[in-house]
Amino acid sequence: DAGVTQSPTHLIKTRGQHVTLRCSPISGHKSVSWYQQVLGQGPQFIFQYYEKEERGRGNFPDRFSARQFPNYSSELNVNALLLGDSALYLCASSPGLAGETQYFGPGTRLLVL
Amino acid sequence: QQQVKQSPQSLIVQKGGISIINCAYENTAFDYFPWYQQFPGKGPALLIAIRPDVSEKKEGRFTISFNKSAKQFSLHIMDSQPGDSATYFCAASMWTGANNLFFGTGTRLTVIP
Repeated sequence: DAGVTQSPTHLIKTRGQHVTLRCSPISGHKSVSWYQQVLGQGPQFIFQYYEKEERGRGNFPDRFSARQFPNYSSELNVNALLLGDSALYLCASSPGLAGETQYFGPGTRLLVL
Repeated sequence: QQQVKQSPQSLIVQKGGISIINCAYENTAFDYFPWYQQFPGKGPALLIAIRPDVSEKKEGRFTISFNKSAKQFSLHIMDSQPGDSATYFCAASMWTGANNLFFGTGTRLTVIP
């Protein structure tokens, strides 16, 4: 069974640009969460989506947005990129919403110049 | 503020030795405490997890010890192997309508042959 997949694996953007990151959850998983991991730190929660609805949002500015599609895949969008947005963006999926183990993908490494 | 505090930042252990990583939390609403292992260039992978109704959980060479009154939990890796060299993250979550994980800052473990 395929795990969580993310694309692209690496991305280089310049300040002010927009970026879209994609995630496909494990088959049968209905919940997708996004995390930002800055080098040398633990992942920080950005969003959780379940059944196409936003169920949780971390302490991130409105430049960050996401959505979940009918097939449970998800996109994370970041507008007006800042140098500080450079990080590994991780997607995690779980079968349901509460108290479920989260399975992480390999991440997308974003570098903002 | 950091909801989960992790120590040490780095750890060097001889092959066959015991690796111990500690975490502490303040929020008594946390009810799920997983440990993740992350290799360079990869996403975090779940190692073992515990809920506050038990004080210890063992899976193979990995053991979580949980002290609810002290609000502390720790990971013990018995018979540490060079292949265990990775970064380890403790995390905690609570039901808030979402299932976001709060991660520690990570421990970089090096096991010397």
